[in-house]
Amino acid sequence: DAGVIQSPRHEVTEMGQEVTLRCKPISGHDYLFWYRQTMMRGLELLIYFNNNVPIDDSGMPEDRFSAKMPNASFSTLKIQPSEPRDSAVYFCASSVKDTQYFGPGTRLTVL
Amino acid sequence: ELKVEQNPLFLSMQEGKNYTIYCNYSTTSDRLYWYRQDPGKSLESLFVLLSNGAVKQEGRLMASLDTKARLSTLHITAAVHDLSATYFCAVGELTSGSRLTFGEGTQLTVNP
Repeated sequence: DAGVIQSPRHEVTEMGQEVTLRCKPISGHDYLFWYRQTMMRGLELLIYFNNNVPIDDSGMPEDRFSAKMPNASFSTLKIQPSEPRDSAVYFCASSVKDTQYFGPGTRLTVL
Repeated sequence: ELKVEQNPLFLSMQEGKNYTIYCNYSTTSDRLYWYRQDPGKSLESLFVLLSNGAVKQEGRLMASLDTKARLSTLHITAAVHDLSATYFCAVGELTSGSRLTFGEGTQLTVNP
């Protein structure tokens, strides 16, 4: 299995621009999670889906962030407009039962 | 709100030595996970502990869970340089579905 796939791996953008991060979960996994990792705040859960339905988005920092999962094999996390404080590594993870499997992450830098 | 605390946050040890990383959590849980993260890399699952008294071992690492004390330990035996990484514990609340709360991570450096 290819594991969780994320794209892009690195993104550099300017403040105010829209950023879209993409994730393909492991086939057959019915949970998908979006996390953000920074030195200051550690690893934070932003939102998670079960069977393509958002279950808990309480970790989404503000309205500038939105996430979708149109089908079982694809999810996006969008930031519009982006700000320098959004700079972080964003991980997608998927699971079918107990263990969450993490993707390689997208390193986002907002200038 | 579930809080997960790890200690120590930084650990420098010599090869061949033993040490334990502690993970305390604040509310009742039915599952605890340990992950490893190498610098600039993703998180790799090490152990899943699902019951009180659970003990799992893989190589030089052994994890245990005491749900009554709300404590998990990750014991390192005869450390080697390849174990240098950041180790995270993550806890799931009983009523939170699949949500996990991660500890701050323990940055382990094993010196030759």
